[in-house]
Amino acid sequence: KNEVEQSPQNLTAQEGEFITINCSYSVGISALHWLQQHPGGGIVSLFMLSSGKKKHGRLIATINIQEKHSSLHITASHPRDSAVYICAVSVYTGANSKLTFGKGITLSVRP
Amino acid sequence: NAGVMQNPRHLVRRRGQEARLRCSPMKGHSHVYWYRQLPEEGLKFMVYLQKENIIDESGMPKERFSAEFPKEGPSILRIQQVVRGDSAAYFCASSPVAGIYGYTFGSGTRLTVV
Repeated sequence: KNEVEQSPQNLTAQEGEFITINCSYSVGISALHWLQQHPGGGIVSLFMLSSGKKKHGRLIATINIQEKHSSLHITASHPRDSAVYICAVSVYTGANSKLTFGKGITLSVRP
Repeated sequence: NAGVMQNPRHLVRRRGQEARLRCSPMKGHSHVYWYRQLPEEGLKFMVYLQKENIIDESGMPKERFSAEFPKEGPSILRIQQVVRGDSAAYFCASSPVAGIYGYTFGSGTRLTVV
């Protein structure tokens, strides 16, 4: 079992729809990260959170530490939101810190 | 602030050649991480470096791969005697303090071994 699981694996939505992407993890973490990757492109960090909820524009990220679960919500989705969304967790041990990634979810938003 | 700079963006090597991938972290960042993304797979940690030191290389293949982050200049990921299975996207990320304040990623180097 992977330490970070994402669902669904692929997601297609119609422009304007509300989208939810889920992430579950099985280890104790220092923080959870949501990343975005466009085809052939680089990786952009969307959120880093260790508790509660964060909002940036049309994106909202939440985390439930007790349940080891996080969600990324996209409101009023747009075709430019089409990308791979990757959940990653970091464990900071004082001298070391690295990310463990989920496999990512491919989101396609149709006009 | 130019962000994390990786070059080259695309690199083609014949089997048996050497590949050198460069990463210049963001200004003020002294922690560098290398990750590999194989086709149809997720990102995997390779190595974590601070200036002149390798902190964690638990994700590096035991042979042919090496990394450095000298006092001056970019971090280098070196792959000797490349094989087709090394074809992947290699991403570098940097942080100011061991990831506490998050990571900034580069655009990656796409290595193709022919």
